[in-house]
Amino acid sequence: KQEVTQIPAALSVPEGENLVLNCSFTDSAIYNLQWFRQDPGKGLTSLLLIQSSQREQTSGRLNASLDKSSGRSTLYIAASQPGDSATYLCAVLIFPNAGNNRKLIWGLGTSLAVNP
Amino acid sequence: GAGVSQSPSNKVTEKGKDVELRCDPISGHTALYWYRQRLGQGLEFLIYFQGNSAPDKSGLPSDRFSAERTGESVSTLTIQRTQQEDSAVYLCASSPSALRDIRANYGYTFGSGTRLTVV
Repeated sequence: KQEVTQIPAALSVPEGENLVLNCSFTDSAIYNLQWFRQDPGKGLTSLLLIQSSQREQTSGRLNASLDKSSGRSTLYIAASQPGDSATYLCAVLIFPNAGNNRKLIWGLGTSLAVNP
Repeated sequence: GAGVSQSPSNKVTEKGKDVELRCDPISGHTALYWYRQRLGQGLEFLIYFQGNSAPDKSGLPSDRFSAERTGESVSTLTIQRTQQEDSAVYLCASSPSALRDIRANYGYTFGSGTRLTVV
């Protein structure tokens, strides 16, 4: 059974720090992994999607890596800003059976606070 | 449309009333998910539509919950006889491609959610 774990559950850093959020999954048979951001009381914003054949994706100050064989992904945030404060969620896409039905398996998120 | 649209954005209802939530996915997206998120908790899968296939209803918490989607268009989530425990943000997401194709982009786009408060 696929399980997704995010560490740490919460993180508080001073502005300007580079930081790493971790996501691990138990079954390497994934189709992709997606990182999302959720602001309090709001919906989810997709940040980066890494296909299973890819090793990393970059967008601005964000870089996400994927090591399928070890079941790990990291989200690297460079030069953090107070506006980065949010909950960061990772989710893996799997096909649990031979058909086309797919499932997103979610981590519980890392709550990030960047202090000015 | 350009994104996933959900309405209403906020809904306050009295216990026992029925509510209907709407999700308008990105045009052409064949897959549509409904999730529920209670305050301070993770995402809870409710139901999944994939094109014209039978939906995966395995996450619906009770028979008071139902959802419909015609083809690849709008979906509605209906909660009958609402209870206070139904208070949550209801999120909808859509995704392109019905094919089991590793090259396809299965990225999900979420709407802003409907915040339901049952009083």
